[in-house]
Amino acid sequence: KAGVTQTPRYLIKTRGQQVTLSCSPISGHRSVSWYQQTPGQGLQFLFEYFSETQRNKGNFPGRFSGRQFSNSRSEMNVSTLELGDSALYLCASSWQEGPNYGYTFGSGTRLTVV
Amino acid sequence: GQQLNQNPQSMFIQEGEDVSMNCTSSSIFNTWLWYKQDPGEGPVLLIALYKAGELTSNGRLTAQFGITRKDSFLNISASIPSDVGIYFCAGQRETSGSRLTFGEGTQLTVNP
Repeated sequence: KAGVTQTPRYLIKTRGQQVTLSCSPISGHRSVSWYQQTPGQGLQFLFEYFSETQRNKGNFPGRFSGRQFSNSRSEMNVSTLELGDSALYLCASSWQEGPNYGYTFGSGTRLTVV
Repeated sequence: GQQLNQNPQSMFIQEGEDVSMNCTSSSIFNTWLWYKQDPGEGPVLLIALYKAGELTSNGRLTAQFGITRKDSFLNISASIPSDVGIYFCAGQRETSGSRLTFGEGTQLTVNP
């Protein structure tokens, strides 16, 4: 059974550009959550999607958005990139909402903004 | 953003020693999770706790959900070099859906 797959693994973007990150959950998992990890702020919740609907949102500016497709794959988009957006972006999937249902993280996408 | 208070921030121990780390919060959590993260990888779930007072083991790892629901601890017995990594606690509140609040992490170094 394949794990959570995030693409790309590494990305370098210029300030002001936008970026789209992809997350393919474990087969059968319908919930996908996104987290940002930085040395200064640690792991911060971005948002959660379940059955193509955003169920929960963290305290990030509107430049951060996401969506989920009918096959449960999810994308997150960051527009007008800032240097501070450099981080490891992690997604986690579970078959139901909530961490009680096999909450598994992917390896992340390392985004560097220059 | 709000985080759990995780202690210690780092530990340097000899192989074979036992390790203990904890997380505390001013808020009540319904679920406590402990993760380990290796460099360049995502966190891997070690132990999940769902009930106040619950004590759960996973091999050499033991974790407990505090009675007050505001804290949790993780013990690692007889540490080995592959235990090296960053350990995170995470809590989930009843009103927060799937949202996890993470501790700052404990960096564990094991000297052979």
